[in-house]
Amino acid sequence: GEDVEQSLFLSVREGDSSVINCTYTDSSSTYLYWYKQEPGAGLQLLTYIFSNMDMKQDQRLTVLLNKKDKHLSLRIADTQTGDSAIYFCAESKSGNTGKLIFGQGTTLQVKP
Amino acid sequence: KAGVTQTPRYLIKTRGQQVTLSCSPISGHRSVSWYQQTPGQGLQFLFEYFSETQRNKGNFPGRFSGRQFSNSRSEMNVSTLELGDSALYLCASSLSQEYNEQFFGPGTRLTVL
Repeated sequence: GEDVEQSLFLSVREGDSSVINCTYTDSSSTYLYWYKQEPGAGLQLLTYIFSNMDMKQDQRLTVLLNKKDKHLSLRIADTQTGDSAIYFCAESKSGNTGKLIFGQGTTLQVKP
Repeated sequence: KAGVTQTPRYLIKTRGQQVTLSCSPISGHRSVSWYQQTPGQGLQFLFEYFSETQRNKGNFPGRFSGRQFSNSRSEMNVSTLELGDSALYLCASSLSQEYNEQFFGPGTRLTVL
C-alpha cells in the first residue's frame, strides 16, 4: 500500500544541522520529494530524488535515500531561523507523477 | 514567470451549499492536481487533470468534482458542503504527466459553517 511517515517535530539551534527523516512503504515509488510549507502559504518544492539515486546535494540541502530500508532523509546545513516551517516528504510513481502521497509533515523549529 | 494562482484565497460557506474553486497553472503547464489539507488528515490527493481529462482520482466522495479547460485552467466543485470539508485546497501544476516537478499555488481556505 501507500504510506509515508515522518516524525512530527524537530527543534534545533541556529547554525546547527537539521535532519528530517521519512519512511515509505511502496517499493515501486519512483520519485521522492521534500516540500516546505510556511504559515499561511502553499507548498514549496525544495528538492527531489529519483529512486535509483542514493544522494543528492543542492546547496545547504542533502537528501539521502536508503532504498533497502525505504528511508529518506533531508539534511539542512547551517540551519537558519528562516528555515522554520513544516517539511513534507512525498512520493510518486513514474508515469503517475501527478499524484503525490504525502507524509504528515515535520515541524522544524529553529531557535536563535 | 507567474506562479500558480488560485481564487478565491478565502471562502466562507454554510452547510448544504456548493462551492467552486479556480486554479490557473503556470504558463505552459498542462497537468493540474488538486489536494485537500486538513489538520486531521493532512495532505490528501483529490484528482489530476491533463489535457482536459481526469487522469487520476483520490478517495473522495462524488460531491467532489473537477474539470479542466482547453487553456489548462482548472476548477473544482464541492456540492452539498459538510463541516468536514473545511480545509485548505491546494492546486499544483506541472509541465506534463511525465514531468515530475509539481508547483503549488497558495491555496484556497474554505470554511464551512
